Amino acid sequence: DAGVTQSPTHLIKTRGQQVTLRCSPKSGHDTVSWYQQALGQGPQFIFQYYEEEERQRGNFPDRFSGHQFPNYSSELNVNALLLGDSALYLCASRQTGIGSYNSPLHFGNGTRLTVT
Amino acid sequence: AQSVTQPDIHITVSEGASLELRCNYSYGATPYLFWYVQSPGQGLQLLLKYFSGDTLVQGIKGFEAEFKRSQSSFNLRKPSVHWSDAAEYFCAVGLNYGGSQGNLIFGKGTKLSVKP
Repeated sequence: DAGVTQSPTHLIKTRGQQVTLRCSPKSGHDTVSWYQQALGQGPQFIFQYYEEEERQRGNFPDRFSGHQFPNYSSELNVNALLLGDSALYLCASRQTGIGSYNSPLHFGNGTRLTVT
Repeated sequence: AQSVTQPDIHITVSEGASLELRCNYSYGATPYLFWYVQSPGQGLQLLLKYFSGDTLVQGIKGFEAEFKRSQSSFNLRKPSVHWSDAAEYFCAVGLNYGGSQGNLIFGKGTKLSVKP
């Protein structure tokens, strides 16, 4: 049973460029969340997708956008990259619905983004 | 505002010794509480969770945690530490939206080193 998978594992971009990160949720999961983890910090919530719509959003600028596809996979897009966007980007998934209120988040291994 | 505090940035224990990692949270409603572990270059693995009921919860790898509402704490314990437990540990609060899980708020983490 594959867990949460993310691609690519590492990425180097130049300031001002745009980047797309991809995530496939764990089998049976329908809700996908994205977190940013800066070096030496805990993960910070970016947004959550369910039924192909953004349901919750953290305190991140509009440069951060996302998408969820009918197969529940998701993309995170970041425009106009800044040096401060360098971080580990974690995707997490869970099952939502009746009887699954205590379904915890399962995390992928992340994409390490470096902006130069 | 909701927050999670992990007072210890770095802890070193001898192999075989007991361990307690501290976590305090600030949240107005009944919290959902989690401990995750992160090895270098990896994503987050769930150790244990608390949603309701028994305040002492058991997790994987011999870890347990106790929810103390009066102290707003959810400390992680292990009676005998193994060298493989060396990693970074994150405490998190899951926001409670009328019984449904919202996003997680993480502490900054505690790095655990194990001496042989």
